Amino acid sequence: DTAVSQTPKYLVTQMGNDKSIKCEQNLGHDTMYWYKQDSKKFLKIMFSYNNKELIINETVPNRFSPKSPDKAHLNLHINSLELGDSAVYFCASSLSSGTGLGEQYFGPGTRLTVT
Amino acid sequence: AQKITQTQPGMFVQEKEAVTLDCTYDTSDPSYGLFWYKQPSSGEMIFLIYQGSYDQQNATEGRYSLNFQKARKSANLVISASQLGDSAMYFCAMREANAGNMLTFGGGTRLMVKP
Repeated sequence: DTAVSQTPKYLVTQMGNDKSIKCEQNLGHDTMYWYKQDSKKFLKIMFSYNNKELIINETVPNRFSPKSPDKAHLNLHINSLELGDSAVYFCASSLSSGTGLGEQYFGPGTRLTVT
Repeated sequence: AQKITQTQPGMFVQEKEAVTLDCTYDTSDPSYGLFWYKQPSSGEMIFLIYQGSYDQQNATEGRYSLNFQKARKSANLVISASQLGDSAMYFCAMREANAGNMLTFGGGTRLMVKP
């Protein structure tokens, strides 16, 4: 049983298009995240979201928006795709304990290629 | 300033030997957690080990141990008895209690195990 799943695994699209990546977790976690891994393998947080609060990394362009239909899902919408958006996008989830120090479980990643 | 620094972009280790991967961090938050993740060539992110800032003992998990030196702000990962399957990218990450539970990652270390 996959704990954190993402679809699609690969996404190839043209500049200017709008696309979405879906994420689902079956761990009963209350917080979900999106990370971007660039071509140099550097991982950067984009969003943190639970049912109370959305925290956005200030460096993320507003073309990116997370949407959560329920606690188990956090989808990533990207408008007007640019070449620089090409990367691997990881979804993750965790429990936010009282100290907020629970480990995060990652999905398999979605490799986005913008041409 | 970098919050998480991994100074070894690449390392070789002989099979069956131990190896230490370095990680230093920077935070003024008294409550934080340090994590290590493994990313094999297949791309998934695998949680390895966690150390909390208030933990008195170094974390251990099978062949993985974390050498936590709080005063020096270092959290090195030690892998004992290296196996060929340990060849991968290794990421150190930090979660600060006052930062929305998001992980900040280091640049990673590529470990290559020689037969």
